[in-house]
Amino acid sequence: DAGITQSPRYKITETGRQVTLMCHQTWSHSYMFWYRQDLGHGLRLIYYSAAADITDKGEVPDGYVVSRSKTENFPLTLESATRSQTSVYFCASSEGAVCFFGQGTRLTVV
Amino acid sequence: ELKVEQNPLFLSMQEGKNYTIYCNYSTTSDRLYWYRQDPGKSLESLFVLLSNGAVKQEGRLMASLDTKARLSTLHITAAVHDLSATYFCAVDWGGSEKLVFGKGTKLTVNP
Repeated sequence: DAGITQSPRYKITETGRQVTLMCHQTWSHSYMFWYRQDLGHGLRLIYYSAAADITDKGEVPDGYVVSRSKTENFPLTLESATRSQTSVYFCASSEGAVCFFGQGTRLTVV
Repeated sequence: ELKVEQNPLFLSMQEGKNYTIYCNYSTTSDRLYWYRQDPGKSLESLFVLLSNGAVKQEGRLMASLDTKARLSTLHITAAVHDLSATYFCAVDWGGSEKLVFGKGTKLTVNP
């Protein structure tokens, strides 16, 4: 399917576990992003990538790791999940003035 | 640091009425986005405003950008229930394609 897809859509994990959220886009957009959405905070940027093998921190990067070995994929890993990382995570990709968002992953850390 | 403020954060209005949502941002940017989000859904792009004085309209929604005042508005004309959603503005962070979002305006249109 064309577009940007995230998996899983829902995930429950335990405190301290490592979890990886996947993001795949079919447009070959250069830029990809990970945001988290929390009540009262809107969306906040975690990490972004300007191209394959180029990543940089956003506003709230602590506790997260990203990689981008291929243009189309941008996985986000929580190295040791904490309850404060319970959130809805959105992946996005952009090229020029167009930015599209995935459907989101609702992550609950118990 | 770029800050984006929306107001109001909550808006309850009657069908048929007009209203405006405001988006102020703290540092220079020439690219501003408006998104709509329905509960439990992703963000849907409404408008991209790329220059000072830009105005775009789609149905009952009209967005404008004043880069000198660092202000964008989203005007709702003759609201209908289907417009009930949360609306976000987002500003490009220094031309980097990173977006800084406002906290959103939850709009409820009542019959």
